[in-house]
Amino acid sequence: EVQLVQSGAEVKKPGESLKISCKGSGYSFTSYWIGWVRQMAGKGLEWMGIIYPGNSETRYSPSFQGQVTISADKSISTAYLQWSSLKASDTAIYYCARLYCGGSCYSDSWGQGTLVTVSS
Amino acid sequence: EIVLTQSPGTLSLSPGERATLSCRASQSVSSSYLAWYQQKPGQAPRLLIYGASSRATGIPDRFSGSGSGTDFTLTISRLEPEDFAVYYCQQYDSSSWTFGQGTKVEIK
Repeated sequence: EVQLVQSGAEVKKPGESLKISCKGSGYSFTSYWIGWVRQMAGKGLEWMGIIYPGNSETRYSPSFQGQVTISADKSISTAYLQWSSLKASDTAIYYCARLYCGGSCYSDSWGQGTLVTVSS
Repeated sequence: EIVLTQSPGTLSLSPGERATLSCRASQSVSSSYLAWYQQKPGQAPRLLIYGASSRATGIPDRFSGSGSGTDFTLTISRLEPEDFAVYYCQQYDSSSWTFGQGTKVEIK
């Protein structure tokens, strides 16, 4: 069974750094893209970026380029999303999702989400 | 970047009724790269439709997708109580992924 398990909720202060994780299991982690999606309270889904763990190729949405860093450690089947200096506006739920891209492209498996709260 | 616009924003219907949700793209999208997701409160999104019209594993046949080019539709033939949720379309184009803003299907 394909599973993506994300790290737990975080409460941080503005200016602090943070790295959240997404561990894949039940499939070849290096053969599928992993994407990160932001959902602010009561709002829709926003693509942040994607990474291919096989070679660490990374692509960012223009809206998030320079604001976050996406990385992966294929030895432990884990992808990461990190901030160097959090802002209150980073408060949101963050989802990771496995991306299948063959004849079609879609997200067929999602993590449970990580709630990040940034408040002074 | 391709922008997806969903309409209506909210759809108020009764169980048993038919729901028709629209997703319009700012430029042509390959049907292969258009997907639909369902999200319920407190849950992660769930894949419903991929390739514009193919149902994902385990998705009931009351859900169907259609369309091409810039206009795509998700139809729920007869709403069940568990279908009241928010629905998003998503497209992939040249390494850029975007979502529509969502359509909420609520109980009338």
